[in-house]
Amino acid sequence: GAGVSQSPSNKVTEKGKDVELRCDPISGHTALYWYRQSLGQGLEFLIYFQGNSAPDKSGLPSDRFSAERTGGSVSTLTIQRTQQEDSAVYLCASSLGGGVAYEQYFGPGTRLTVT
Amino acid sequence: RKEVEQDPGPFNVPEGATVAFNCTYSNSASQSFFWYRQDCRKEPKLLMSVYSSGNEDGRFTAQLNRASQYISLLIRDSKLSDSATYLCVVIAEENNRLAFGKGNQVVVIP
Repeated sequence: GAGVSQSPSNKVTEKGKDVELRCDPISGHTALYWYRQSLGQGLEFLIYFQGNSAPDKSGLPSDRFSAERTGGSVSTLTIQRTQQEDSAVYLCASSLGGGVAYEQYFGPGTRLTVT
Repeated sequence: RKEVEQDPGPFNVPEGATVAFNCTYSNSASQSFFWYRQDCRKEPKLLMSVYSSGNEDGRFTAQLNRASQYISLLIRDSKLSDSATYLCVVIAEENNRLAFGKGNQVVVIP
């Protein structure tokens, strides 16, 4: 079946511009996670959705970052006034449930480059 | 101290040899542990969960040492296709958040 998809796969933007990243989770998966991975770094947790609500937003690095999820499905991560340090691969993952026992399935990521 | 620490390597392993590496975690309340595999420029994929009693999946063996707060992964009879970065993942029950290590890079050499 279809896995997690993300778009765009690559995004180059100028410093100060806003960007919107999209994640389509696996159908039926209620939990959705956003991470980012910088070169040579581990995955950094950003935000977690259970259904449309986000019980844990504490990983968002600044108020320039926001995310929403509608219809319990698609999620968008928005970065306003992008900075060069925002350059990273943004990964989305979904799981059947929100509990720790559920395997997370990752999308291919969006590679964001801020020039 | 970081939540999850791994020696990035690389671990250069002759084909057919055995390689093992550890991952240490700081939160003693952590309850769930996993190894994910990430190929170059690809997304992470679950390799195996780590159970308290240790578990084996083919050539891969995972162990948990709660007293010393580390988990380990051992790969026997290494194949060229095992070349990847192995990410240690620890979950603290209280926040349901996954903490990832930076990974152990394994390079299997013909």
